[in-house]
Amino acid sequence: KAGVTQTPRYLIKTRGQQVTLSCSPISGHRSVSWYQQTPGQGLQFLFEYFSETQRNKGNFPGRFSGRQFSNSRSEMNVSTLELGDSALYLCASSTGQGADGYTFGSGTRLTVV
Amino acid sequence: GESVGLHLPTLSVQEGDNSIINCAYSNSASDYFIWYKQESGKGPQFIIDIRSNMDKRQGQRVTVLLNKTVKHLSLQIAATQPGDSAVYFCAEGRIHGSSNTGKLIFGQGTTLQVKP
Repeated sequence: KAGVTQTPRYLIKTRGQQVTLSCSPISGHRSVSWYQQTPGQGLQFLFEYFSETQRNKGNFPGRFSGRQFSNSRSEMNVSTLELGDSALYLCASSTGQGADGYTFGSGTRLTVV
Repeated sequence: GESVGLHLPTLSVQEGDNSIINCAYSNSASDYFIWYKQESGKGPQFIIDIRSNMDKRQGQRVTVLLNKTVKHLSLQIAATQPGDSAVYFCAEGRIHGSSNTGKLIFGQGTTLQVKP
């Protein structure tokens, strides 16, 4: 079955702009989580959506937001980009049940200049 | 606060040898742990997981050991191959009722280098 698809793979944006990233989960998975990965901070949890509702949120400023659609596809948005937002953004999908594993996409590499 | 940490940033082993990657965690309330492998340009790939009520679990060429007394987790890879070269992360998760929380707490990662 198809894996987790993230688009686009690469993005270059200018400081102050906003960006929207997309994640299509594995068919049947209702949970989508987003992570930011940087060399200094590692993988940090942004937020998680389950059935269109945000269930959990990490410690990121309000510039980072997300949403989930009825087909479980999710988007995350970063407004007023800062240089420090340059990172690999990963999404993971899961059934949301018990300890069912999380499957990650290949990520979107965002560079802010 | 919560943290999951790995003991060594880099581990270099000879092809064919066994590898042991370690992880220390601080949240005794965690319900399960997962090991991920991340190759360059890819997202983390699930290797194996273990529930907090277990102390050992085996997969194909991999074994995870959990010592809750000292809050320590390890991943053992048997007969390490060049294709095992990657960054390895441990992660901790929680369950609420019958649902996971959707949040994993990751360690910093250990880079495994396999020398031919």
